[in-house]
Amino acid sequence: GAVVSQHPSRVICKSGTSVKIECRSLDFQATTMFWYRQFPKKSLMLMATSNEGSKATYEQGVEKDKFLINHASLTLSTLTVTSAHPEDSSFYICSARGGAGSASYEQYFGPGTRLTVT
Amino acid sequence: QKEVEQNSGPLSVPEGAIASLNCTYSDRGSQSFFWYRQYSGKSPELIMFIYSNGDKEDGRFTAQLNKASQYVSLLIRDSQPSDSATYLCAGSGGGADGLTFGKGTHLIIQP
Repeated sequence: GAVVSQHPSRVICKSGTSVKIECRSLDFQATTMFWYRQFPKKSLMLMATSNEGSKATYEQGVEKDKFLINHASLTLSTLTVTSAHPEDSSFYICSARGGAGSASYEQYFGPGTRLTVT
Repeated sequence: QKEVEQNSGPLSVPEGAIASLNCTYSDRGSQSFFWYRQYSGKSPELIMFIYSNGDKEDGRFTAQLNKASQYVSLLIRDSQPSDSATYLCAGSGGGADGLTFGKGTHLIIQP
């Protein structure tokens, strides 16, 4: 299957600082990437859809000025959590759509980034 | 509002038996459905996807879709202790849609 990486895998930051998370498709070009958030013992919630070369589409209730998404190339999307607060502590997971031999609607997930804001 | 419902479990199945996981969805516009397995603290990994009514088999796994009943299921044959995990059902409207996930079913395979 397609390989998606995320960096960093874990990050601890102080309240008020910004954190950038990278999502890369390693062996295929992803025109669309998705960002999800998962709180403990909860399911994944879609935050935004990121399309290469255009503005991200945010889900209802997700602040676009707080969660900045950039999809500068077909293999890289970044999520920046600005002015982080403890309630932003969560597991952030990206996914990329497509890949060689896969149907266009398959999504492959990165390993996730665990963010802790102190 | 799109919703995907799953019984959170835990669902306990003896080793070697068939585990049956169920999922219902509210959005009739959903076209594709996915089953993911998630181990604690890890990211989901894709097991199967299905978009046509009927059954789809892949090794020990069979996905079933009934669009009239808005029902999706996953059968795991010859269950192994390593199959113990949370299984997430997700639906998509297709195209560039993100996935709508259920809360997941915690499956325990008893040795």
